[in-house]
This record gives sequence, C-alpha cells and structure tokens, in this order.
Amino acid sequence: DSGVTQTPKHLITATGQRVTLRCSPRSGDLSVYWYQQSLDQGLQFLIQYYNGEERAKGNILERFSAQQFPDLHSELNLSSLELGDSALYFCASSSNQLANTGELFFGEGSRLTVL
Amino acid sequence: GENVEQHPSTLSVQEGDSAVIKCTYSDSASNYFPWYKQELGKRPQLIIDIRSNVGEKKDQRIAVTLNKTAKHFSLHITETQPEDSAVYFCAASRGGGGSNYKLTFGKGTLLTVNP
Repeated sequence: DSGVTQTPKHLITATGQRVTLRCSPRSGDLSVYWYQQSLDQGLQFLIQYYNGEERAKGNILERFSAQQFPDLHSELNLSSLELGDSALYFCASSSNQLANTGELFFGEGSRLTVL
Repeated sequence: GENVEQHPSTLSVQEGDSAVIKCTYSDSASNYFPWYKQELGKRPQLIIDIRSNVGEKKDQRIAVTLNKTAKHFSLHITETQPEDSAVYFCAASRGGGGSNYKLTFGKGTLLTVNP
C-alpha cells in the first residue's frame, strides 16, 4: 500500500459525458501528479500541483482540468469524453521533506472506459 | 521539454539469463533517473534510481548505469526470475529528485522471463 488513495477504481461512461477522479496523497505530501496510461503511450504526464498551486503542465487536453484543495486532495475533471480518453489514470505524490528521495508513490489508478 | 526514448519495447529471456533495457533522454538539465516496475494490473513502483553525479548503482540483481555525455542510461537485471516479468519504465527529471519535479517516462518495456 503506497498510501495514495484514488477513487473510483473503475468508471464506465458514455461519450460526451463528464467525470471526476479523486486522489488523496500520502499524509504530508504536498505534491500531486496526474498521469494517463494507455496501451501504446506509456505513462503520460498530465499535470502537477504543489501545495494547491499548479506547478507543471504536460500533455493535458483543454477538456481536462484539475485542482488541489486546501486539504491537499486533488481532483481531475474530464469533460466531453471521447472514446480515446479510455485509459488508466494514475495519481502520484512525493515527499516535501528535505530527505526526499525523489520517489513518486502511485495510487492504484482509476480505470476509465468510455463507450 | 524532456523526451525519453526506451528500447526494446518487449524483451523475452530465459530464467537465469540477463536482461538489459536502454533509455536515452534529451534534456541535458535532467539529473535524476529512476526505474519503475509495473506488474500486471498493479501500480508502478520504484526499483532503483541514479543521480547524475554517479555512473553506476547496484542493488542485488539490479544495476543501473548512466552516461551523461551520451545522455543514455540502462537497467541491467542479472539471474532473471519469473517474478521479474513485468513492464519496466525508465524516467528522467530535473532537480535531482529532491525538488518535487515531474518525471518524464519512457514508453515501457514488457519483460517476460520464461521458466
């Protein structure tokens, strides 16, 4: 158990719909990262938040948005869903401690299926 | 931004043989290079990492080498066992891994160890 919690584990929805994926980082971790994993693209970085502020942005579509709340949990919102958005979405967190090794701790992922 | 290329995409070896996975990176400012292992249906987990001030690092049957001049790094697994079968991802990051910098991943290598 990494200490990172993601909900829901599985989600099936239709094209055009909107979903929200939720992530609770490890206790004390200020950084949250979102990655998309599809079969042929590996782990694609979407976005990073650090203590409530957007820190880095990757290949995140305009239809997707994210935020990190004061209690440090994060949500990834996916709207106007297309078939190609079907993927496993991982959240990860990392330590803000001085002894931070750089390791990302991944949650179990949220598997999104768009029909 | 950073681009990480990983080869091969699939690798099949006999139990007891060695396996080598290679990665190249594009950003000369990258200085932290971790390797993650993802078993089927599971989350990625860190198995070993190396920083740019080191050329090689070993941990039991696993070793990683780094050539900063050529901008490539490799994962070596010796005496492979069936439980080594998984997808392996290389990654690169700035900040030495201790500054909450995002990781850019390669597309992964599916390693199959045949008994």
